Amino acid sequence: KAGVTQTPRYLIKTRGQQVTLSCSPISGHRSVSWYQQTPGQGLQFLFEYFSETQRNKGNFPGRFSGRQFSNSRSEMNVSTLELGDSALYLCASSLSGGYEKLFFGSGTQLSVL
Amino acid sequence: SQQGEEDPQALSIQEGENATMNCSYKTSINNLQWYRQNSGRGLVHLILIRSNEREKHSGRLRVTLDTSKKSSSLLITASRAADTASYFCATDSNQGGKLIFGQGTELSVKP
Repeated sequence: KAGVTQTPRYLIKTRGQQVTLSCSPISGHRSVSWYQQTPGQGLQFLFEYFSETQRNKGNFPGRFSGRQFSNSRSEMNVSTLELGDSALYLCASSLSGGYEKLFFGSGTQLSVL
Repeated sequence: SQQGEEDPQALSIQEGENATMNCSYKTSINNLQWYRQNSGRGLVHLILIRSNEREKHSGRLRVTLDTSKKSSSLLITASRAADTASYFCATDSNQGGKLIFGQGTELSVKP
């Protein structure tokens, strides 16, 4: 089985722009979670989608949004980028979410200049 | 806020030695998980221990869980240079279906 695929691997944007990151989960997995990782804050939970519905949300501003498609692929969008949004964005999938183990992608490294 | 906190933040040992990392958490849990991350990459699941379990083994890994102290430890025996990575504990948040990660322990194993 192919693993979790995140694209792009690296991204450079400037302040004020918006960005869309993509995540393809392991085949058969219906839950997709997104995390932001920075040296200062560590791994912060963004949101979780299951069957196209947002099931959980972390404490991030409304500039961070996401969605999930019928094939379980997910995208997250960050609008009006700020310097502090520079981070490694990690996507993880699992069969049904909850407290199961997560399978992570390699992440998208976003740099905001 | 972080549910799990690892200790120490960084650990440097020689190949062949054992490495022990600790994790403390704040609220009751259903399970606790340990993950490993090589620099700049995604996390890899190592082991899951349920709240009614006290110890679990997987290869050179041994995890213990003490729910009365709200703490867990990860022991890596006979460490190798390839074990160099960051190790994170993760717990369910008691707020429904999301895993909360600690800040991690950075392990360096010198050949």
